[in-house]
Amino acid sequence: EAQVTQNPRYLITVTGKKLTVTCSQNMNHEYMSWYRQDPGLGLRQIYYSMNVEATDKGDVPEGYKVSRKEKRNFPLILESPSPNQTSLYFCASSLSYSSSYEQYFGPGTRLTVT
Amino acid sequence: GQQLNQSPQSMFIQEGEDVSMNCTSSSIFNTWLWYKQDPGEGPVLLIALYKAGELTSNGRLTAQFGITRKDSFLNISASIPSDVGIYFCAARTSGTYKYIFGTGTRLKVLA
Repeated sequence: EAQVTQNPRYLITVTGKKLTVTCSQNMNHEYMSWYRQDPGLGLRQIYYSMNVEATDKGDVPEGYKVSRKEKRNFPLILESPSPNQTSLYFCASSLSYSSSYEQYFGPGTRLTVT
Repeated sequence: GQQLNQSPQSMFIQEGEDVSMNCTSSSIFNTWLWYKQDPGEGPVLLIALYKAGELTSNGRLTAQFGITRKDSFLNISASIPSDVGIYFCAARTSGTYKYIFGTGTRLKVLA
């Protein structure tokens, strides 16, 4: 089944403890992206990647890192999480950057930083 | 930074009614998108628009790319209970593959 998977789905952690949220797609998509969703703010793009080893900042990249070493994986790294990074995170992918409008979203990861 | 102002914020309507929502910005975009998000899931693309003035339909949904390229509209005709959810507009920043989203319109349909 074609899908975008994220792990973990739920995470509670403490301030400053490094964490990684994994994202994987099995559709051979070139374009991948991370978003955070907060009440009243909609979705905001954190980082995106047009292909392997090609990443760029979205609207809210501060406090996050990404890497794209393989086509199928696009992990989101929080080196020193803070409470203001408590949010619902979505990974998305699309066939190519030229068709990046047609993004398939994962199920989401709910992160709480205390 | 660039912003998309989406309205209304929420709507309660009766089953069978038509629905309209819109998205405006002070910036110009060359791609407008409409997504729907069901509770507990990620957004799903409904309609994509690429050209100013374009009017596109997907079943009971119709969306338009504003002539000024600064706005877009989504209409849902004859609403049904499964239309419940949050509808987001989104736009692609010209010259990049970066996307910004509106704050969403929460739709509730009363049977």
